[in-house]
Amino acid sequence: GENVEQHPSTLSVQEGDSAVIKCTYSDSASNYFPWYKQELGKGPQLIIDIRSNVGEKKDQRIAVTLNKTAKHFSLHITETQPEDSAVYFCAAYKNTGNQFYFGTGTSLTVIP
Amino acid sequence: DTEVTQTPKHLVMGMTNKKSLKCEQHMGHRAMYWYKQKAKKPPELMFVYSYEKLSINESVPSRFSPECPNSSLLNLHLHALQPEDSALYLCASSLLAGGVYEQYFGPGTRLTVT
Repeated sequence: GENVEQHPSTLSVQEGDSAVIKCTYSDSASNYFPWYKQELGKGPQLIIDIRSNVGEKKDQRIAVTLNKTAKHFSLHITETQPEDSAVYFCAAYKNTGNQFYFGTGTSLTVIP
Repeated sequence: DTEVTQTPKHLVMGMTNKKSLKCEQHMGHRAMYWYKQKAKKPPELMFVYSYEKLSINESVPSRFSPECPNSSLLNLHLHALQPEDSALYLCASSLLAGGVYEQYFGPGTRLTVT
């Protein structure tokens, strides 16, 4: 199978600061890494993803980096806003398994 | 449009009841998923349907019975549940199974078993 570890479990930042969440995976065959944001009482929302043939991807204030050699990937949120407060999950996927393996989640609080 | 809809939003049922959860997507996706999510935990995969056929069952108890009547609909039939089955039940879909495709989640059904 696949084991995805996510750190930190909780993160508090001041509005305007950056937030970084890190995940590691165990199976080198994993080739797709999405990030989800889950607000209270809602389903997970796909916010950004990266494929194994890419090292970095950016979408406005959100970026994801992937280090295949070290088997870790990170979510970077710049200029954080209170509405970024949510639980963030990373996941890893490989074609052969057809399953998404989720990290344990990071509860991000942005303090106004 | 990347919308997956789920009904009902909330469901309270007794241990002897029979109820069903419904999920719908109109994105032309051929892979659909059921997940169970407990508070402060990641989603746990229950079932995967590919082209309306069950392809993965993660050893889910038989009191949960999935059904995929067509490519847009996914149901989860519930019978004789236990209080520990109380959770958020999430439906998701992706274009196909077995490849690198985005997976989109619905808002979930909050189930309480009394």
